Amino acid sequence: DADVTQTPRNRITKTGKRIMLECSQTKGHDRMYWYRQDPGLGLRLIYYSFDVKDINKGEISDGYSVSRQAQAKFSLSLESAIPNQTALYFCATSDWTGDGYTFGSGTRLTVV
Amino acid sequence: RKEVEQDPGPFNVPEGATVAFNCTYSNSASQSFFWYRQDCRKEPKLLMSVYSSGNEDGRFTAQLNRASQYISLLIRDSKLSDSATYLCVVPNQAGTALIFGKGTTLSVSS
Repeated sequence: DADVTQTPRNRITKTGKRIMLECSQTKGHDRMYWYRQDPGLGLRLIYYSFDVKDINKGEISDGYSVSRQAQAKFSLSLESAIPNQTALYFCATSDWTGDGYTFGSGTRLTVV
Repeated sequence: RKEVEQDPGPFNVPEGATVAFNCTYSNSASQSFFWYRQDCRKEPKLLMSVYSSGNEDGRFTAQLNRASQYISLLIRDSKLSDSATYLCVVPNQAGTALIFGKGTTLSVSS
């Protein structure tokens, strides 16, 4: 099994719908991150969490929310999806040093 | 200066060639630097970490120039399998997360 698992792998949703992307890890890492990747823009940080009670906004948090249900689980929600949230979303984990991220395989989200 | 800046390429080279990518960064306090490799539509994977002046791993060499705030990645004897996008990565100003460059695309042909 993968160290970092993201579900779903692909999703097409309609504008205005609520959608949740899930991430779970078996690395035992405390730190978890959500990034989105758009062509020409690279990876941009949405939210990050250093432990279950810690949630921090990243560069582009507007329109997103997160939940850290357990050390191993970190979910990303789009409360009301819009087309410009169409992107490839990655979850990542790291140990306390914050170095050497391990990424999940990504969720390709399309909002129509 | 942008937090992390890379030449997007593409770099098109024949097998066996030596190719170098440069990356500049703005946070002069950064102590750690990374190169990640990303294949098309796949997740980024750590290629090399750089904590001092440089690091070497087989055909790959990363060098750090703190005075000029740039990092380079040198690939010797390029293989077809080296074709990918290479991401330059540095910590953000707060040291709480990593900032990824937009990537440099390498295409190695036979």
